[in-house]
Amino acid sequence: GQNIDQPTEMTATEGAIVQINCTYQTSGFNGLFWYQQHAGEAPTFLSYNVLDGLEEKGRFSSFLSRSKGYSYLLLKELQMKDSASYLCAVLNAGNNRKLIWGLGTSLAVNP
Amino acid sequence: DGGITQSPKYLFRKEGQNVTLSCEQNLNHDAMYWYRQDPGQGLRLIYYSQIVNDFQKGDIAEGYSVSREKKESFPLTVTSAQKNPTAFYLCATQGTGDYEQYFGPGTRLTVT
Repeated sequence: GQNIDQPTEMTATEGAIVQINCTYQTSGFNGLFWYQQHAGEAPTFLSYNVLDGLEEKGRFSSFLSRSKGYSYLLLKELQMKDSASYLCAVLNAGNNRKLIWGLGTSLAVNP
Repeated sequence: DGGITQSPKYLFRKEGQNVTLSCEQNLNHDAMYWYRQDPGQGLRLIYYSQIVNDFQKGDIAEGYSVSREKKESFPLTVTSAQKNPTAFYLCATQGTGDYEQYFGPGTRLTVT
């Protein structure tokens, strides 16, 4: 079967660092995405990893280990506006570019 | 202004009525997608289209219909056969050679 797991909720403090994990089991793999979604709004693209390793983009970094079926999103210097849901999605190889979505991790940043 | 528009942002309908949600894009993207999002659930794919005049069922197509007569437009009709139509509906596009999908602002449909 196809499965993506991520924690349902996390809390962190303003200025801190938080790591949101995502594990996946899919029949194929053509990359992993992280999206941010504020309440009532559309998801916005954060990162795409297809090779193992860490991709850094400002305060946000994303890591991928294909052999372990594992990714994480690292958020540094947390700000209140980072309170949102973070969605992990896997692009299944040879599947007409359809994405398999996790349920999302709701992050609350407290002052 | 380049982007994806969905209208209206909020839509209310009575049970038993069909309703059509609009999705328009001027990004010149070939692929377009319709998702449904319910509280506590991930995005679920309803229909997608890789090219004009062609579309495929997603994971939860029952009770929905689409058309793709123009590259810019991919309207979704929620029919009376859809048992639980109240949800947040998101349209997304993807350019050829792109991996990421870009989302419209969404339409929140409430059926009573």
